[in-house]
Amino acid sequence: GENVEQHPSTLSVQEGDSAVIKCTYSDSASNYFPWYKQELGKRPQLIIDIRSNVGEKKDQRIAVTLNKTAKHFSLHITETQPEDSAVYFCAASRGGATNKLIFGTGTLLAVQP
Amino acid sequence: DTAVSQTPKYLVTQMGNDKSIKCEQNLGHDTMYWYKQDSKKFLKIMFSYNNKELIINETVPNRFSPKSPDKAHLNLHINSLELGDSAVYFCASSQNRGDIQYFGAGTRLSVL
Repeated sequence: GENVEQHPSTLSVQEGDSAVIKCTYSDSASNYFPWYKQELGKRPQLIIDIRSNVGEKKDQRIAVTLNKTAKHFSLHITETQPEDSAVYFCAASRGGATNKLIFGTGTLLAVQP
Repeated sequence: DTAVSQTPKYLVTQMGNDKSIKCEQNLGHDTMYWYKQDSKKFLKIMFSYNNKELIINETVPNRFSPKSPDKAHLNLHINSLELGDSAVYFCASSQNRGDIQYFGAGTRLSVL
């Protein structure tokens, strides 16, 4: 069935370093790949997304890359700050009539000041 | 104004009870969803409605019954609550089966 694997499950970095989170999806019909940030006790919030017709997208300190052939996509955060500490979820979706997000298992990012 | 709002925020109840969670969105979206986040933080879709029509129904026990009186509201009714139902339930919405989904603040359900 549809599955999204996410690694690592926990990631600790020093403030100012970069952080990379990787996901692999199984459904080759997936064409939409969002990343959500969830702070403790809060709702998941979309931070960046990418569609299958592009290979990379950037928004200030965050970027996402997509390799459709390998069915991999990654989140890159540069110059990390303590406020980046949260759980990050990747997800994959076919969009359209069956627009259900299949979420990865989450990565707890801790940025040490 | 909160775009996707859920009530209640917290719900503590005994096993065997019946409870409802309400969700409303003021974004003018056509599609609404219910997700369950368990104690290990796994997020999994339960249901989706588009213009009051059920379009996604994952393998959820039939004790869970969603109801959409109009496209701005999607409620979740749970019968005969079990310990394993304890979780955070998130409502979300998107525009006409569009990609971007906006989440509510969640309802933390504790079944004792």
